[in-house]
Amino acid sequence: DQQVKQNSPSLSVQEGRISILNCDYTNSMFDYFLWYKKYPAEGPTFLISISSIKDKNEDGRFTVFLNKSAKHLSLHIVPSQPGDSAVYFCAASQLYSGTYKYIFGTGTRLKVLA
Amino acid sequence: DTEVTQTPKHLVMGMTNKKSLKCEQHMGHRAMYWYKQKAKKPPELMFVYSYEKLSINESVPSRFSPECPNSSLLNLHLHALQPEDSALYLCASSQPPRNEQFFGPGTRLTVL
Repeated sequence: DQQVKQNSPSLSVQEGRISILNCDYTNSMFDYFLWYKKYPAEGPTFLISISSIKDKNEDGRFTVFLNKSAKHLSLHIVPSQPGDSAVYFCAASQLYSGTYKYIFGTGTRLKVLA
Repeated sequence: DTEVTQTPKHLVMGMTNKKSLKCEQHMGHRAMYWYKQKAKKPPELMFVYSYEKLSINESVPSRFSPECPNSSLLNLHLHALQPEDSALYLCASSQPPRNEQFFGPGTRLTVL
């Protein structure tokens, strides 16, 4: 049972344009959502997060939007740069036994074309 | 220092071997995590330590044995593994109540 899904395995975008990565979830008990970027042979790097009580969070070129009624979130990267080419994971957290537990989506490979 | 280090980077072991993976962070984080990631799959949570106590075990087989000797160190002891346990093993840490996790580069494990 995949509680966090990223339905697009890959995405190609021209440099300077907007990249939009999508994520859907099924568990309404998740309290935070996070986006990570992963390069080959490295661990995931935290990008941005959003609390379940908010609908938007912005940090520089990265903005995350949350639509709770649709159980959907998206990451917007603008403008996209070639260095943004990586695998992006969406993750959701839930408090469990006093500790945060994280569930990751399947990832979307973003390719930014120069 | 915002780094999580993992050793070794690569490990090849036979099914009868005993080996250990090591993870270290000096950010003062009080939660530490082990994840397993297979090719083209998301990281899957294995164990969580909170304030040096095991708080989550995601029904991981007993051939994987975690240990948290102190607040900076996390070990994963491996014994009698199967070839299907071959994967990238990632360690992460976080400082509750902040949510972001910092990941190490991982140990690529191959079980022959």
